[in-house]
Amino acid sequence: KQEVTQIPAALSVPEGENLVLNCSFTDSAIYNLQWFRQDPGKGLTSLLLIQSSQREQTSGRLNASLDKSSGRSTLYIAASQPGDSATYLCAVRPRDSNYQLIWGAGTKLIIKP
Amino acid sequence: GAVVSQHPSRVICKSGTSVKIECRSLDFQATTMFWYRQFPKQSLMLMATSNEGSKATYEQGVEKDKFLINHASLTLSTLTVTSAHPEDSSFYICSAPGRANTEAFFGQGTRLTVV
Repeated sequence: KQEVTQIPAALSVPEGENLVLNCSFTDSAIYNLQWFRQDPGKGLTSLLLIQSSQREQTSGRLNASLDKSSGRSTLYIAASQPGDSATYLCAVRPRDSNYQLIWGAGTKLIIKP
Repeated sequence: GAVVSQHPSRVICKSGTSVKIECRSLDFQATTMFWYRQFPKQSLMLMATSNEGSKATYEQGVEKDKFLINHASLTLSTLTVTSAHPEDSSFYICSAPGRANTEAFFGQGTRLTVV
């Protein structure tokens, strides 16, 4: 059974720092992995999608990597800003699923001005 | 990109009443939709898979008589929380899948508070 773990559960850093969020999954048989952002009381914003055949994806200050063989993904945020404060969720789409996603519990990120 | 619209975004209801949440795919047809629930500080948990024209598939531990799902058309799925209790207060969010290797699309979520 696929399990997704995110470490750390919470992170607080000063503005301007570069940081890395971690996501690990137990079964490498996945279609893709997605990183999302969730603001308090709000829905989900898709940040980056990495296909199983890809190693990384970049969007602006965000870079996500995928090492399928080791079951790991990282989300790198460069030059963090207070507006980056949110909960970041990763989710994988298993190959044997009916398109459903398996979610990590998220990392709550606080960027201090 | 594809858009999934979820309504209402917030609802407060009294214990014992029922609440309906709608999830619409605006520019594509969704034969399948997923309904998730999120408790505070926890991750999303799949409640059920809604299938157009057939019965929904519920995850273990989810009461099908309490959480009624209807997927009457290719663009609309509804979740009705019946005889709501305060412990049903949660964040509910729907999702429609893209093709196998594309991203999933999410509604804006519904914050349900049962008083």
